Amino acid sequence: LAKTTQPISMDSYEGQEVNITCSHNNIATNDYITWYQQFPSQGPRFIIQGYKTKVTNEVASLFIPADRKSSTLSLPRVSLSDTAVYYCLVGDGGGADGLTFGKGTHLIIQP
Amino acid sequence: NAGVTQTPKFQVLKTGQSMTLQCAQDMNHEYMSWYRQDPGMGLRLIHYSVGAGITDQGEVPNGYNVSRSTTEDFPLRLLSAAPSQTSVYFCASSYGLGKNQPQHFGDGTRLSIL
Repeated sequence: LAKTTQPISMDSYEGQEVNITCSHNNIATNDYITWYQQFPSQGPRFIIQGYKTKVTNEVASLFIPADRKSSTLSLPRVSLSDTAVYYCLVGDGGGADGLTFGKGTHLIIQP
Repeated sequence: NAGVTQTPKFQVLKTGQSMTLQCAQDMNHEYMSWYRQDPGMGLRLIHYSVGAGITDQGEVPNGYNVSRSTTEDFPLRLLSAAPSQTSVYFCASSYGLGKNQPQHFGDGTRLSIL
């Protein structure tokens, strides 16, 4: 299984840029890197996905170095509503076609 | 669009009872899956299906049963509820085989076993 390692929690303030880094040393050649956001009492919500280099959408940016052993989710100018748990996932190299969710990063945004 | 709909939202059972958690999606997704989430933990895969008539086990399948008779529905059955099955259950679907496809999640069923 391709495992991921992320910080358990992070704090920041409104208006700041937040970067959450995820390590995935055993990522497989065909695997993409996907980030999800989860609010209390809701299911996870897809944020962004990438394979290499940089991907940007209306919500976030994803930076992936050439060796793909890590990735960084960047949230520009966060607000209080960005307080949530963020999960970094990579595909399973074999076996069950499911996603391996770790404990995620609990991001707390303060005024 | 309804997306992924889970029912019920809340349920309390007694040990030994059986019940079915319902999951339906209206996006014509082939891949569907069930996860459980325990306090302070990530999601763990219970069962999944890559299409109607095809199911397989995930990481924590014991005590659960699934079937996939239609593309839209993927019910999860608890055969004999145990307190260890107290959890929040999430159903998800995606267009492709799941690994590299964005998943769409329902809002969960909160289940308590007394």
